[in-house]
Amino acid sequence: GESVGLHLPTLSVQEGDNSIINCAYSNSASDYFIWYKQESGKGPQFIIDIRSNMDKRQGQRVTVLLNKTVKHLSLQIAATQPGDSAVYFCAEIRNQGGKLIFGQGTELSVKP
Amino acid sequence: GAVVSQHPSWVICKSGTSVKIECRSLDFQATTMFWYRQFPKQSLMLMATSNEGSKATYEQGVEKDKFLINHASLTLSTLTVTSAHPEDSSFYICSARESGTSGTQYFGPGTRLTVL
Repeated sequence: GESVGLHLPTLSVQEGDNSIINCAYSNSASDYFIWYKQESGKGPQFIIDIRSNMDKRQGQRVTVLLNKTVKHLSLQIAATQPGDSAVYFCAEIRNQGGKLIFGQGTELSVKP
Repeated sequence: GAVVSQHPSWVICKSGTSVKIECRSLDFQATTMFWYRQFPKQSLMLMATSNEGSKATYEQGVEKDKFLINHASLTLSTLTVTSAHPEDSSFYICSARESGTSGTQYFGPGTRLTVL
């Protein structure tokens, strides 16, 4: 079936380094993508989104890249901090207003 | 702005009892709310879409008679787990989308259900 998946289930980085979290999606009809951060025991927190007509979008310390050719999405976190430790999910919506489909998640661990 | 709350944050119940979970949009109106279930170390799985004033739309494999959803106002949706069993133990999360928009969903903090 169609799904949004992640390449790596866990990622460990040193504090201050940059982090890159990857996500592959299978449905070329998806037109809106969102990255969420989920801390233990809490609900997902919106980080950044990108529409399919864009290939890059920047926020505060975060950048999302979209490569529609290979159906790949990535989240880059600059100068990773201990507070960035969490599980990160990519999610897709196949049309605005549609259902969110979540990927498997990547657990980011930041070493001090 | 755009705060979604859930109550209770955690609940423990005996097998066979029913449990109601509330999802509220605190500072906006939400025509559409969503209910998700998340097992440990897994992703969020959409259970159903809750529409104010109409019946909920359930995802394939989700029993509508077991997971009752009521969306009686623009700021409140409830999920009732009926005749709960240990396998229903999970983290239940709701989200809400502001009325008149088709974009971002705002998530609640989740409810941890443990069925003994």
